[in-house]
Order: sequence, then structure tokens, then C-alpha cells
Amino acid sequence: NAGVTQTPKFRILKIGQSMTLQCTQDMNHNYMYWYRQDPGMGLKLIYYSVGAGITDKGEVPNGYNVSRSTTEDFPLRLELAAPSQTSVYFCASSWGSRRVGTGNTIYFGEGSWLTVV
Amino acid sequence: GENVEQHPSTLSVQEGDSAVIKCTYSDSASNYFPWYKQELGKRPQLIIDIRSNVGEKKDQRIAVTLNKTAKHFSLHITETQPEDSAVYFCAARGGSYIPTFGRGTSLIVHP
Repeated sequence: NAGVTQTPKFRILKIGQSMTLQCTQDMNHNYMYWYRQDPGMGLKLIYYSVGAGITDKGEVPNGYNVSRSTTEDFPLRLELAAPSQTSVYFCASSWGSRRVGTGNTIYFGEGSWLTVV
Repeated sequence: GENVEQHPSTLSVQEGDSAVIKCTYSDSASNYFPWYKQELGKRPQLIIDIRSNVGEKKDQRIAVTLNKTAKHFSLHITETQPEDSAVYFCAARGGSYIPTFGRGTSLIVHP
């Protein structure tokens, strides 16, 4: 199992450019999440999905879009990049049910460091 | 929605001392409380969790306690070591299955 894989690991964008952060998981989890983490700060939820075809906004969705066409993939799109979007982005996944054992654990990807200049 | 408060934001201890990080939550329906450790430049990783039907759980030097009545839960690390230095996040998860994270505690263990 690779777990949660996200790409790219590092990226520098110019103001106004767009890009997509890719995320895929091989654990057949139904729930997937995108978080951003600013330096020295906590995790802020951008968007989440409870299953293929279903997405919903989190705490800080402005400037981002997502889609969930398959169980495995949950890409995050940044439109018209702004310096305020400079951050570390984490994709994560979990089971969203009363599954016993370790089913409730959230698994994070390694993170994508994004700088907007 | 759920609101999770975490204290302190920074905790500095000497090697061998104990460390305690406290979190409170607002949603009485929350039933799952994980703790994550994030080393510098790394992803958060689960270190211990507790469900609402249990009051305490231990795993070697770490333990978590839960007081459902008061809506707070705590992480206890005994005999701290320099490799325990990291940011620790608590989280609470309720009926929506979407976890809410605390703001994190930076633990510094001085040799």
C-alpha cells in the first residue's frame, strides 16, 4: 500500500497562474480531505468529499476547487494564484463510518509546498 | 459545528519530565478523539486515539484521558525524550465524521 500520494511536492507559481495538486489513495477510503497549513499554524480544512461525486466546502474554500470522479482521486485546483495561497497542502483520507479498529484513522499525504510569487 | 481548543500552544520541558497537552471540544456528539504528531517538515501521523466509551488509553510512554462530562481530553507523555520534540494536534470527530483539529502544541524537549 502506498497510502495517500500527492504531487507535486514543491511548486513555485506566479501570481495569477493556475495549477492542480494531485492526490490519490489506494486504501479504498470513502472520505478524502484537503488541508492547508501555514507556517507555525494548525490544519485548516479547504474541501472534503464523502464519496465519489460528492464534495463540500470546509473552513477556507475560497480560491480553490475540487472534484471527486473516482474513489481514489481527489485533485485540488488553484485558480488565479495569490500570495495568500502560499502554504503547505496536505491531502488525507479515512473511513467515514463506525468501522471498528483503525478504520477511523486519518492518513495524510507527504504534503505539497506551494509558493506564490 | 465542532470547536476544539488546545493548550498550551508551546510547551518546553527537560528530558525525563512529563508533558501534558489539553483539549476541549464543544459538540457532545463527538465520539472519536485522535492525537497526531507532526515532526518538522513531515506529515501528521496518528500516535494514539480514544473513543467516547473509554476513559483512558495507554501506549508505552503516552496516554490519553477523556472526560465526556467536562468535554475535555488530554495527552500525557512521560519520561520525555528529545525525539518527542514535535507539534502535537488533537482532534474531535462527531456525527459528520469530519474531524476538527486543535491549533497544535509545539513540544520542545531539552536534553
